[in-house]
Amino acid sequence: AQKITQTQPGMFVQEKEAVTLDCTYDTSDQSYGLFWYKQPSSGEMIFLIYQGSYDEQNATEGRYSLNFQKARKSANLVISASQLGDSAMYFCAMREGARTSGSRLTFGEGTQLTVNP
Amino acid sequence: KAGVTQTPRYLIKTRGQQVTLSCSPISGHRSVSWYQQTPGQGLQFLFEYFSETQRNKGNFPGRFSGRQFSNSRSEMNVSTLELGDSALYLCASSQPQGMNTEAFFGQGTRLTVV
Repeated sequence: AQKITQTQPGMFVQEKEAVTLDCTYDTSDQSYGLFWYKQPSSGEMIFLIYQGSYDEQNATEGRYSLNFQKARKSANLVISASQLGDSAMYFCAMREGARTSGSRLTFGEGTQLTVNP
Repeated sequence: KAGVTQTPRYLIKTRGQQVTLSCSPISGHRSVSWYQQTPGQGLQFLFEYFSETQRNKGNFPGRFSGRQFSNSRSEMNVSTLELGDSALYLCASSQPQGMNTEAFFGQGTRLTVV
């Protein structure tokens, strides 16, 4: 069964510094997708970045990049130049490629990021 | 383009009652998924509907049910509410094509069972 593990319940970073949020996953599928979402206190899940299992390049979206190490089954999120507005809960999620998986996402436990001024 | 709309935003119900939550997906999206988020269990998948058919189901009791209408709007129903059903219920819509299809989430319905 698929599983996502985020081992950092909470992280603190100074404004303008970079921070890495860890994510490891477990799946027996060869085809899968990895996502990162941000959840502010308002509750809405905001899509940040996507990495496909066959993508050779690490994904980047503005200040977000994904450090994808397939052999280690890790997909860490790197946020550069942290801003106060980055303070939120961050979730790593996976979608497996099996036809029966549909659009189902499996989420990790989340990491609460606090950006200090 | 309007986002995913969930109604109501907040709900307080009494144990034993039933509740219906609504989700309007982004125009053109035919897949709607529901998730339950609690502090203890995190985000858990409830079910997914595509073209009015349940395509996938999580590990929840039969008290949790859903449906999808021809316009892709979806409802989920919880019968015989229990205190443990208190949670944030999130709906996500997507185009069910390809692995990189992102899911767009609504702001959720926060259900409190007293």
